[in-house]
Amino acid sequence: GQNIDQPTEMTATEGAIVQINCTYQTSGFNGLFWYQQHAGEAPTFLSYNVLDGLEEKGRFSSFLSRSKGYSYLLLKELQMKDSASYLCAVRDLGGATNKLIFGTGTLLAVQP
Amino acid sequence: DSGVTQTPKHLITATGQRVTLRCSPRSGDLSVYWYQQSLDQGLQFLIQYYNGEERAKGNILERFSAQQFPDLHSELNLSSLELGDSALYFCASSVGTSGSDTQYFGPGTRLTVL
Repeated sequence: GQNIDQPTEMTATEGAIVQINCTYQTSGFNGLFWYQQHAGEAPTFLSYNVLDGLEEKGRFSSFLSRSKGYSYLLLKELQMKDSASYLCAVRDLGGATNKLIFGTGTLLAVQP
Repeated sequence: DSGVTQTPKHLITATGQRVTLRCSPRSGDLSVYWYQQSLDQGLQFLIQYYNGEERAKGNILERFSAQQFPDLHSELNLSSLELGDSALYFCASSVGTSGSDTQYFGPGTRLTVL
């Protein structure tokens, strides 16, 4: 089966750092994506990891450990506009497709 | 703006009816994906097309069907609508089918079935 787990909600303070975890159990693995989604809007791409390690992109970093089935998204210098849902998605390995299996998302509230 | 367009933005209809949602991918993208997002289930993959051919199917109901046309736009047809079909429907596109290809999402169509 396929299972992706994320915390449902998190709260953090403006200017701080927050880490959003994602664990996955899938029949195959060929990459992990993080998306940001504001309420009622489209998911927007944040990061992609396929090899173990840390990928840094400005205030956002993403880490992957394939042996542990674990990833995290690190957000630094939090801003109010970072209040959104953060979706972890695993690329399904099977056939000529790169469909994504999404977790239910983590709703992050940034407080002043 | 991702470059993916979807119409209509909102759709309100009654149970038993049929609707068509339309998606135009980013310029140069050959793959189109459809996802359903309801409040209690998150984003669920429905179906993927690549260059006009169906490539993968997810949890798509038999009442739903899709196709991708020669100009690469795609349509998702939902028939015999039920209250539970109310959701946000997103289309996404990517260049091809490689694992590293990023999927870019359109703004979605909010379907309300009354």
